[in-house]
Parts: sequence; structure tokens; C-alpha cells
Amino acid sequence: DAMVIQNPRYQVTQFGKPVTLSCSQTLNHNVMYWYQQKSSQAPKLLFHYYDKDFNNEADTPDNFQSRRPNTSFCFLDIRSPGLGDAAMYLCATSGDSLWEQYFGPGTRLTVT
Amino acid sequence: AQSVSQHNHHVILSEAASLELGCNYSYGGTVNLFWYVQYPGQHLQLLLKYFSGDPLVKGIKGFEAEFIKSKFSFNLRKPSVQWSDTAEYFCAVTVNFGNEKLTFGTGTRLTIIP
Repeated sequence: DAMVIQNPRYQVTQFGKPVTLSCSQTLNHNVMYWYQQKSSQAPKLLFHYYDKDFNNEADTPDNFQSRRPNTSFCFLDIRSPGLGDAAMYLCATSGDSLWEQYFGPGTRLTVT
Repeated sequence: AQSVSQHNHHVILSEAASLELGCNYSYGGTVNLFWYVQYPGQHLQLLLKYFSGDPLVKGIKGFEAEFIKSKFSFNLRKPSVQWSDTAEYFCAVTVNFGNEKLTFGTGTRLTIIP
């Protein structure tokens, strides 16, 4: 089945230690998104790629970076994780119907 | 910028009860509206969507929602809930053609008691 895959599902990192989360998709969608979702809060868009064009949300901290080496893969890099970065990170994709997004299962990040 | 409000944070119902979850958005122009559901331990899934046309839209699993433009609302309904409907429900909106940004509400946790 075509889908959005996120690895790992659970990630533990130390305060200040760089961490990378990955997302892959078999839907061949041209748009990929990264969201941060904290407990009992709405998913918050960090940035998205329209093909290779990177779009950063104005309030996304510089600590968060992203890479999209090809259509299928997208990475979220957190350069120096703080305790406040502990959250669920969701990857999503969209294709021809730009407004309909398909979500992966998320990666739960714990910062110790 | 657009925003979405879901005033019911946690709703508890018995099986077979009727459900209505509120969703209001703030934006003066054309919107696209969505309801997503997140079952325990699972990823966000699209329940239904409204782009244009008939303001009453039907989704999966017996859910429906009505877009009332004058009230800036897109409430989710189901006439008879089941225990398996226990989940978190998110209303979301996008605005303008070509704007890919999906703005979510804070979600409503629905608990169905058998």
C-alpha cells in the first residue's frame, strides 16, 4: 500500500545532541510537510517542501532544519534539542489535491 | 491569518448517543475545511472534507459535517456513535487556492462508554 513512513517511531536524545528524523513516501506526492505536535495541542506546521522549494514558517526556530534529497525522502534535523522540543513529529504529504494531506504515524521525540 | 477553534476539549458519550463536535474558523475569504481523526496509537486520517458545493458533506464511518458560511462553522455529526469512535478529532482549514498550509484546531478528545 502507498503510504507515509516515519522512522524511528520513538527517538530518545540527549539535551543538545543533534538528532535526525526521517520520512519517506510511496505516494509520489510533490509536497512534504513537517509538523510538531505537543501533548493536547494541535499539530503545528514547521515547514514544507513543494518539490525542491523549501518553505519555512515564520515562527519555526532556527534550531530546526530540513532536507529533501529526492521526491521520496524528507529529513528533519534538530541541531541542539532542548527539553521544550520533546514532542510528536508528524510528516505529511500532498499531491494534486494540495489541501488533502496524508500523514505518517509520527516520531515521538524524548529529550533527556 | 486563519485560525480554528474547537471549544469541546473532551466529550464523553455512551454508545448509540448522537454526536456533534463544534468547529469554528476565522477567515473572511474562501476556505477548504477538513475533519481528521486520530485513533489511539494511529496516525491522523481524513474523515471528510469540504471544498465547494453541497454544504452537507458525508465522510467515512457514518460521519457528516455541515458548512454554515454565515456562522463560520463546520460541525461534525454522527447520529449514533460506537465504542470504536473513541479518538481525537481535529478540525482544520486551508485558505486560498495554492496555499498548502493546513491550520488545525486544538482537537476534541471523544470517549465512548460501552
